Amino acid sequence: DAGVIQSPRHEVTEMGQEVTLRCKPISGHNSLFWYRQTMMRGLELLIYFNNNVPIDDSGMPEDRFSAKMPNASFSTLKIQPSEPRDSAVYFCASSREAGGVEQYFGPGTRLTVT
Amino acid sequence: RKEVEQDPGPFNVPEGATVAFNCTYSNSASQSFFWYRQDCRKEPKLLMSVYSSGNEDGRFTAQLNRASQYISLLIRDSKLSDSATYLCVVNPTFGSTLGRLYFGRGTQLTVWP
Repeated sequence: DAGVIQSPRHEVTEMGQEVTLRCKPISGHNSLFWYRQTMMRGLELLIYFNNNVPIDDSGMPEDRFSAKMPNASFSTLKIQPSEPRDSAVYFCASSREAGGVEQYFGPGTRLTVT
Repeated sequence: RKEVEQDPGPFNVPEGATVAFNCTYSNSASQSFFWYRQDCRKEPKLLMSVYSSGNEDGRFTAQLNRASQYISLLIRDSKLSDSATYLCVVNPTFGSTLGRLYFGRGTQLTVWP
């Protein structure tokens, strides 16, 4: 079975540009999570969905960040406009259900904003 | 106060050594606990769950102390391949946080030959 798929794997963009990160969760998983990881702050949860519905977006840093999950097999995280401080590795993860079960992470998108 | 606190290390140990990592969590109502492993420039992966009675998986032993809100991971007979960052993870199952996991900053381990 394929794991969590993320694209692109690497993204380099200039400040002010729009960035869209994509994620395909494992088939049959009902929960999807977006994380950001930096050296300074570690792994931070940005938002998570259960059955395609956003449950907790308290980790979204500001209005420049938005996430959607139009169906069970696809989610996007968009940053508009991007800033250098958004440079990080963005991970998508999925799990079979909400609540205390193993989360499977995708390989991540390494974002650099210059 | 952070939900999960870990000693960041780094821990540098020779092959064959025994090494222990500790972690504390702030929410006494937390129900599920895990250790994840993250290799350099890779995604985190589940290493093992942590049960109240403690559990062992080969060279790895995890312990939970609910009274002290403390989790530990013991690695015996360290291998070079154990070099990684170990993340302590807690799931507080209440209210709107149902489903989310709280990750510690991780403890870096390097095993040298």
